[in-house]
Amino acid sequence: QVQLQESGPGLVKPSETLSLTCIVSGASVRSYYWSWIRQPPGKGLEWIGYMFYSGSTDYNPSLKSRATISVDMSKNRVSLKLTSVTAADTAVYYCAGAGGVVTPLHSWGQGTLLAVSS
Amino acid sequence: DIQMTQSPSSLSASVGDRVTITCRASQSIDTYLNWYQQKPGKAPSLLIYAASSLQSGVPSRFSGSGSGTDFTLTISRLQPEDFASYYCQQSYNSPLSFGGGTKVEIK
Repeated sequence: QVQLQESGPGLVKPSETLSLTCIVSGASVRSYYWSWIRQPPGKGLEWIGYMFYSGSTDYNPSLKSRATISVDMSKNRVSLKLTSVTAADTAVYYCAGAGGVVTPLHSWGQGTLLAVSS
Repeated sequence: DIQMTQSPSSLSASVGDRVTITCRASQSIDTYLNWYQQKPGKAPSLLIYAASSLQSGVPSRFSGSGSGTDFTLTISRLQPEDFASYYCQQSYNSPLSFGGGTKVEIK
């Protein structure tokens, strides 16, 4: 069974770059497509993007090219970087795995809260 | 981009009730429609995929139907553990998108 564990700084300042990590256990990071999804407090879910270990990536245009997802096969983990953050980026960030590009997100981490504030 | 519209945004129901949630896509998505349940403070979990296939371990009181642009999630007999928020999501094309959610509350 795939288990995902996100981690991050908890608080970043406006205009800085946020970096989040998702440790994958119970499966190889090569096995699935890895997405990041976020949820502002009290609101709905927004897909950020995905990456496959081969290098294939796709991002939500709403992030205006601020997001970069990477996979570290040696450490079996997935990372997200989001540049030029603002208060609107305050959210719980989830990583999730899917079997393919058009398949459902079958495994989710518990999420990590990221607040943007000076 | 494909917009997903859920209705209602919230509903109140009693244990044992039959509950139906609808999801409409702004264009045809065939059956590339998934449903997730989210309990307070927890991550979403997959309930239904490909519009009508039950994820392993999900109780059979949950069912999904639809194709094209109109979909439904039905809970046949609501149980106490079903009070949660429910989200539809299209995986037809990028960017993946979710409905706004439906919060099922206790009447």
